[in-house]
Amino acid sequence: QKEVEQDPGPLSVPEGAIVSLNCTYSNSAFQYFMWYRQYSRKGPELLMYTYSSGNKEDGRFTAQVDKSSKYISLFIRDSQPSDSATYLCAMRVQGAQKLVFGQGTRLTINP
Amino acid sequence: GAVVSQHPSRVICKSGTSVKIECRSLDFQATTMFWYRQFPKQSLMLMATSNEGSKATYEQGVEKDKFLINHASLTLSTLTVTSAHPEDSSFYICSAREAGEVNQPQHFGDGTRLSIL
Repeated sequence: QKEVEQDPGPLSVPEGAIVSLNCTYSNSAFQYFMWYRQYSRKGPELLMYTYSSGNKEDGRFTAQVDKSSKYISLFIRDSQPSDSATYLCAMRVQGAQKLVFGQGTRLTINP
Repeated sequence: GAVVSQHPSRVICKSGTSVKIECRSLDFQATTMFWYRQFPKQSLMLMATSNEGSKATYEQGVEKDKFLINHASLTLSTLTVTSAHPEDSSFYICSAREAGEVNQPQHFGDGTRLSIL
């Protein structure tokens, strides 16, 4: 079993829809949780960064962490075609340098 | 802020050639940089952690004599793929974290697409 599980998709939704992306994990020691967006042939771009449980909102993006369920989510409101990309969740243990990534979910927003 | 620049973005070369990739933190100092490899439609695989002024730490299964890492300054790390062969063709990405900020996230460069003919 992988430490971090993420459905690779692909996920295709119409423009304006609310998108929900999720990851589950097995290591209860993970404390820092990140969502990165990666466009084709580009490096990952940090979208959201959260510590421990709770919600964080930034514009159209909301990140949720439920440590009791070992489950994190990224919600995208009013999705745009420019949101079409691969979304990677990543997490790490406090004090550790190494990030553990999910497989990434390929998202397409259709105009 | 937190911009990481990676150069070159694309390399095509013959088998047996050694290729050097540079990773620079443009607006911050990075005592630690990371090198990843990514295959098509797959996630990032950490190859090694590069520490300024000391030897890199390689992940299990990564040949340190094949992938030479040098982190000579607080803003520059280099990865040299020595005697590259077609199986080394991949997308190589570096990341960096601001010095002294152990709880801050990693910021990534735009990657280098390496193709060995």
